[in-house]
Amino acid sequence: NAGVTQTPKFRVLKTGQSMTLLCAQDMNHEYMYWYRQDPGMGLRLIHYSVGEGTTAKGEVPDGYNVSRLKKQNFLLGLESAAPSQTSVYFCASSSPLPNTEAFFGQGTRLTVV
Amino acid sequence: AQSVTQLDSQVPVFEEAPVELRCNYSSSVSVYLFWYVQYPNQGLQLLLKYLSGSTLVKGINGFEAEFNKSQTSFHLRKPSVHISDTAEYFCAVRAKTSYDKVIFGPGTSLSVIP
Repeated sequence: NAGVTQTPKFRVLKTGQSMTLLCAQDMNHEYMYWYRQDPGMGLRLIHYSVGEGTTAKGEVPDGYNVSRLKKQNFLLGLESAAPSQTSVYFCASSSPLPNTEAFFGQGTRLTVV
Repeated sequence: AQSVTQLDSQVPVFEEAPVELRCNYSSSVSVYLFWYVQYPNQGLQLLLKYLSGSTLVKGINGFEAEFNKSQTSFHLRKPSVHISDTAEYFCAVRAKTSYDKVIFGPGTSLSVIP
C-alpha cells in the first residue's frame, strides 16, 4: 500500500525555470494539500483541494499554481522558479471526516539556484 | 477558525529523561486533536489522536497526551526518551462540526542528547 507518493524526490532548478511536482494518493481521499517546510517556519499551506476539479489558496500561494484533474492526483506548478522557493515540499491527503488524520508523502527537496 | 500554538520551538533533553511538549489550541467549536511526528528526512506520520472518552491518550513509541478542555491544551509526554525520539513534533486540530482541513501548529524540535 503506497499511500501518498511524491515525485520527484529531489530537484535543482535554475531561476526562471518551471516545473511540476506530482502527488498521487491511493486512499480515495477527497482532500489533498501542498505544504512547504522551511527551517524555523513549520509547515505552511500553499494550496489545497477538497475534491476533483476544485482548488483553494492556502497561506502562501504566490508563485505557485495547482490542478486536481483526477481525484488521486494533485499537481503543484512553479511557473518561474525563484531562489525563495527553495524548500522541502510535502503533499498530504485526508478524508473530509474530521476524526481522521492526514497522510503525508516523503517530500520533495527543491533547490533553486 | 482554529489555531494551534506550540510555545517551545526547540526542546533539548537527555536520554532516558522525561519530556513534555506543549500544545495549546484556540477554537470557537469543539475539535479533534492530533500529534504527528516527523523523523529526519521523512514526511509526517500520526503519533496519536484524541477523539472522545478518556482524556489520556496513548500512542506509538511510548508517547501519551492528555486533553484538558478547560485549558484548551493537549500536551505530549514521554517518561523516558531515546535517541531515536529525536524528531519534529506537530500538534494539529480539526473542527468536529465541519468538513474542514487540518490545522497544524508550528512544530517543536525535540533533540535527545546522549
